[in-house]
Amino acid sequence: EVKLVESGGGLVKPGGSLRLSCVASGFRFSSDRMDWVRQAPGKGLEWVASISGGSTYRHHADSVQGRFTVSRDNAKNLFYLQMNDLRAEDTAVYYCARVKGAFYGMDVWGQGTTVIVSS
Amino acid sequence: QSVLTQPPSVSGAPGETVTISCAGSGSNIGANYDVHWYQQLPGAAPKLLIFADTNRPSGVPDRFSGSKSGASASLAIAGLQADDEADYYCQCHDTGLSGFVFGTGTKVTVL
Repeated sequence: EVKLVESGGGLVKPGGSLRLSCVASGFRFSSDRMDWVRQAPGKGLEWVASISGGSTYRHHADSVQGRFTVSRDNAKNLFYLQMNDLRAEDTAVYYCARVKGAFYGMDVWGQGTTVIVSS
Repeated sequence: QSVLTQPPSVSGAPGETVTISCAGSGSNIGANYDVHWYQQLPGAAPKLLIFADTNRPSGVPDRFSGSKSGASASLAIAGLQADDEADYYCQCHDTGLSGFVFGTGTKVTVL
């Protein structure tokens, strides 16, 4: 079964840091691009970051550029989002998703992990 | 900051057909990038519904169909059913963002 499971969410104070993890199973992880998407309470979906299979290409949304960093460990089938200098507006459910190619869209999603930034 | 515009809501009676529009620009849909559609049921993660403008993943009923013309795309849901009540999002690559952009989202209500 193809599966993604996120972890690492929680409550953090403004200015703090968190690292989200996403473990993949059931597919050749190193071949596929992986993305993070978030959804603030009651709001729509927002693309956050992506990383290619071999980590050659990494892109981040303007809203998180310089504060968030995407990375992966193909030997462990793990995908990460390091979040620094967190702000209240970063409060959201964070999803990891597989992108086999731009043609295919995000075909596998995790269940999400919740990040709350509050003092 | 969504650059793909969708109507906030659409509704229809069971059995009817509803259509959701997704208006983009020359840096995304108009640049001929593939458009994808997602369904998000209440409390659940999004699910891929249509990929590359018109293609359905395995298991998605053929009641769902996608189309694209110029800088816009559309999702049609035929034979509307109660369990189609959900939020629907379009998505496309945008050259300005170097990544995907999502539409503003549309809530479908079955009357």
